[in-house]
Amino acid sequence: QQPVQSPQAVILREGEDAVINCSSSKALYSVHWYRQKHGEAPVFLMILLKGGEQKGHEKISASFNEKKQQSSLYLTASQLSYSGTYFCGTDVRARTYKYLFGTGTRLKVLA
Amino acid sequence: DAGVIQSPRHEVTEMGQEVTLRCKPISGHDYLFWYRQTMMRGLELLIYFNNNVPIDDSGMPEDRFSAKMPNASFSTLKIQPSEPRDSAVYFCASSFRGAGLSGANVLTFGAGSRLTVL
Repeated sequence: QQPVQSPQAVILREGEDAVINCSSSKALYSVHWYRQKHGEAPVFLMILLKGGEQKGHEKISASFNEKKQQSSLYLTASQLSYSGTYFCGTDVRARTYKYLFGTGTRLKVLA
Repeated sequence: DAGVIQSPRHEVTEMGQEVTLRCKPISGHDYLFWYRQTMMRGLELLIYFNNNVPIDDSGMPEDRFSAKMPNASFSTLKIQPSEPRDSAVYFCASSFRGAGLSGANVLTFGAGSRLTVL
């Protein structure tokens, strides 16, 4: 039931690009992306609602394909500050807002 | 607003002891979630409340775990008796069903409670 993310880990050099994927076996109402720095709590990055929309935050953008129940997070020209673990959060509306997180993707940006 | 407040930040206890974790959500938020984070399992949803009422506790691992929300500003997660495999970081998060985002649920997390059971 937990959304599956890929890859599990990524190592980049500053300025390189990365894509993180999130896939759910259940129909999704919305997809959210969070970033967690080591030893800290997850912090909200962006939300995508149904309709295939794409959103952006700094040089980070995301897409949501509700038919495929998938979302992708795009990090362009990565910076050292992008290092952390990225989680997709999915809103599976059974009776109410059951909110599940993906398996996580560890991203390390090297100088 | 001070955000979601959790206590204690760190707890070290011995197997068999009772552990109580506390959470104060953001004022006005109507949803409260308890998650457990470990390297092996990631962020697991344990239980969540809507307007102080438990909605889904299917993620609570065993009867040793219990959670309450006696009012809109306070929730507890209790483990009794604790076991070494309960060692993890426990996060509380709250959210508000914002009409402007078509009811999308954006979570604000507390800093977490790191539990170590020896």
